[in-house]
Amino acid sequence: QQQVKQSPQSLIVQKGGISIINCAYENTAFDYFPWYQQFPGKGPALLIAIRPDVSEKKEGRFTISFNKSAKQFSLHIMDSQPGDSATYFCAASYVGYEKLTFGTGTRLTIIP
Amino acid sequence: GAGVSQSPSNKVTEKGKDVELRCDPISGHTALYWYRQSLGQGLEFLIYFQGNSAPDKSGLPSDRFSAERTGGSVSTLTIQRTQQEDSAVYLCASSVRTSGTDTQYFGPGTRLTVL
Repeated sequence: QQQVKQSPQSLIVQKGGISIINCAYENTAFDYFPWYQQFPGKGPALLIAIRPDVSEKKEGRFTISFNKSAKQFSLHIMDSQPGDSATYFCAASYVGYEKLTFGTGTRLTIIP
Repeated sequence: GAGVSQSPSNKVTEKGKDVELRCDPISGHTALYWYRQSLGQGLEFLIYFQGNSAPDKSGLPSDRFSAERTGGSVSTLTIQRTQQEDSAVYLCASSVRTSGTDTQYFGPGTRLTVL
């Protein structure tokens, strides 16, 4: 099963708050989990990625939390800013598999 | 250096017409991918190319869709006899290698509208 399920579909967070987006997968062979950020009229761009040998990865205000036993991973955006308003996609893949399997996306809106 | 470029940025066509979408990958990237993004949907894989190897066409939705990559660089996605359900944003991405774990760099996409 190659599907990656993402939630919520849309999210509104106040400026300064924490934005949390969740993804779940079925294929236990997946060993690479990137998050992509997409602004309107632009292509997605890699934001942050994690491998299952660690449970958390932090880059600035962005953190991926990974729960291997639950087959879930999430993106946390701390101190959310209006400039973070975008669509976020989780994805999954593994070494030897050439494709990324994407979630359906979360439209994040940060309000002042 | 330049990123992935795609042309045209927008394409409006009539049902039944053929369309060609172009992708210029990042120089030196051996892998090239095409995805389709429909309204409210995620990215649907269509096809990828790796160097001179045969492309993986497993994501193409029908035989109306085809793609080629010339000289290991520029790629063209062709949709024949377009249907309204083909309306979507078509995204191209390239990476250094064909590996799902390599960063894929996306172009801005071509928005296709079939009337």
